[in-house]
Amino acid sequence: GAGVSQTPSNKVTEKGKYVELRCDPISGHTALYWYRQSLGQGPEFLIYFQGTGAADDSGLPNDRFFAVRPEGSVSTLKIQRTERGDSAVYLCASSLSGGANTGELFFGEGSRLTVL
Amino acid sequence: QQQVKQSPQSLIVQKGGISIINCAYENTAFDYFPWYQQFPGKGPALLIAIRPDVSEKKEGRFTISFNKSAKQFSLHIMDSQPGDSATYFCAARGYGQNFVFGPGTRLSVLP
Repeated sequence: GAGVSQTPSNKVTEKGKYVELRCDPISGHTALYWYRQSLGQGPEFLIYFQGTGAADDSGLPNDRFFAVRPEGSVSTLKIQRTERGDSAVYLCASSLSGGANTGELFFGEGSRLTVL
Repeated sequence: QQQVKQSPQSLIVQKGGISIINCAYENTAFDYFPWYQQFPGKGPALLIAIRPDVSEKKEGRFTISFNKSAKQFSLHIMDSQPGDSATYFCAARGYGQNFVFGPGTRLSVLP
């Protein structure tokens, strides 16, 4: 596709359930980022992939959060035992080469997660 | 040290006026400073960016001013238009290509 695609666009779940959020980056982009954006706040870094490997996962808040990118393209953010505080918009962004050249991140429209 | 501070939280400007948003940082290892624009329901989109070896960068109506010694940078929007109404985020790239974002400024340009 032309841009970063994220699915689902909206997800409502109950406390304690497991959730998967998917990101399909721009073709050819080797770097992929996950951010979390709470209402009225700036994006908060979660994890960054360069190819298939997580180059920096220092932003993951706890071990309930996990992300994979097995083939270096599509990535899935997995949240176990969801809590109400996990409610936010989860943004995915991709970049040509880890931002080293232009530094431009191309963001998707996000997946809005609501935990009841 | 990984934080980026941003002000004001919200800004109202008349059409044709100048909008100014300020950001400050502590980490001298930051090496790239982009500004992103976000409309409701959309992801942020790159507006303009600057590297710390440059004091000013202009693209159309948008200008970044960068003060390395003060560790501050600002976005100026000249001739502000109602279509500029959005939330603006400053950001900084740190170690490991991680980007840190400011909390955002909600700009409203009145017609």
